[in-house]
Amino acid sequence: EAGVVQSPRYKIIEKKQPVAFWCNPISGHNTLYWYLQNLGQGPELLIRYENEEAVDDSQLPKDRFSAERLKGVDSTLKIQPAELGDSAVYLCASSSQTGGGETQYFGPGTRLLVL
Amino acid sequence: QKEVEQDPGPLSVPEGAIVSLNCTYSNSAFQYFMWYRQYSRKGPELLMYTYSSGNKEDGRFTAQVDKSSKYISLFIRDSQPSDSATYLCAMSANTGNQFYFGTGTSLTVIP
Repeated sequence: EAGVVQSPRYKIIEKKQPVAFWCNPISGHNTLYWYLQNLGQGPELLIRYENEEAVDDSQLPKDRFSAERLKGVDSTLKIQPAELGDSAVYLCASSSQTGGGETQYFGPGTRLLVL
Repeated sequence: QKEVEQDPGPLSVPEGAIVSLNCTYSNSAFQYFMWYRQYSRKGPELLMYTYSSGNKEDGRFTAQVDKSSKYISLFIRDSQPSDSATYLCAMSANTGNQFYFGTGTSLTVIP
C-alpha cells in the first residue's frame, strides 16, 4: 500500500514569491491534515479536512495561507506571499479510525526555504 | 503552559542499553496516546498507539500511560544504532480531535 505522497520534497524561493505544496493521502483515508514543523519542534496543525470540508482551520494564517481539497482526495497548500519566517517543513498526514481511535500517517514533508 | 511537555534531549546511549523517553501533559481529557519516530529529513512514523491507561508492548518497544500522573513513557530495550532518531509523543482527547505533539527527544545509540 502506498503511503502519503508529497511534492515537491524541497523548495527554495525568494520572499514575497508564491509557493504551493501537493499531497496525496493514503487511499481510503477521508481525513487529511497539513502540519508545519519547525526545526527542533513537533508538528503544529494548520488545517484538517474531512473529505472536502475544512473542519478545523483555526490555526491557518488566512492572510497568506490557503488550502483546498476539491474532490476529497488530494490537497494543495499555498502560501502567497511567502515570508522568511515560513521556512519550515510542511507535513501532510492522513488518518483512519481503528479500534475507536485515530491513527495518523505522515508523508515525508516538503522542506521550504525562503530567502 | 504547553499542552504537552517533552525533554528535547539530546540523549546518547550505548548499543544494547534500555532507553526511557517521557512526556507529561496537562489536559486530563487526553485519552489517545501515540509515539512517533522521525528520522532526519523524513516524516514521523507511527510506533505505538495506546488508548487510556496501561501498558502496550510491541517487540523491543513498550509504551506506558499513567493518566493519574498525566505521564507517558516509551521504553526501548536492547537499543540499536538504527533506533537513532527523534521520538515524538502525541495525544488527543477523542477521535477527530486535534493531535497535540511534544517537541521530540533526539536519541543517538552509539555502536
